[in-house]
Amino acid sequence: QVQLVQSGAEVKKPGASVKVSCKASGYTFTGYYMHWVRQAPGQGLEWMGWINPNSGGTNYAQKFQGRVTMTRDTSISTAYMELSRLRSDDTAVYYCARDPYSSGWSVFDYWGQGTLVTVSS
Amino acid sequence: AIQLTQSPSSLSASVGDRVTITCRASQGISSALAWYQQKPGKAPKLLIYDASSLESGVPSRFSGSGSGTDFTLTISSLQPEDFATYYCQQFNNYPLTFGGGTKVEIK
Repeated sequence: QVQLVQSGAEVKKPGASVKVSCKASGYTFTGYYMHWVRQAPGQGLEWMGWINPNSGGTNYAQKFQGRVTMTRDTSISTAYMELSRLRSDDTAVYYCARDPYSSGWSVFDYWGQGTLVTVSS
Repeated sequence: AIQLTQSPSSLSASVGDRVTITCRASQGISSALAWYQQKPGKAPKLLIYDASSLESGVPSRFSGSGSGTDFTLTISSLQPEDFATYYCQQFNNYPLTFGGGTKVEIK
């Protein structure tokens, strides 16, 4: 069965960086794009971008350009999302989510359990 | 960016009720719309894709309709496990965007 297992909660200071991992199992990791979506406390969902695990190609939402880096390690079927220059309004649950169309323009059929990132001085 | 406006933002309903949630896009998105259900502390779950296609394993009481700018999610007979927040999402244009959510509560 498809599973996406994310790394644990993080607490960071403003200006720091955070790197969240998402380990995939139950399917061919390189066959499906992986997206990242975040959700601030009590708020809605916000798309951040995607990575093509096969090529390493990425597409980031303009809002996060210059601050986000998505990478992958195909040897361990894991995707990563690193967000730098953290601010208090980056406090959110970060999700990885699989793209069943592998096109980038897609829905999300499987989600990780979420990783809470808290940014506080 | 395409704005998705959901209405209502919340509703109270009883078990067995028919519930309808609407999602309006700020510009035409063809049928590139999905619906998700999210329960507290959990990741969203895909219910409907391509505006009206039911995701595998999702009960048939859920249905979706619409195209262009106006879309609807209908729950034909609300069950206790359906109390949750529902989001629409468009995938016609970047950035991919979500509606603000509709919270379905117990009356």
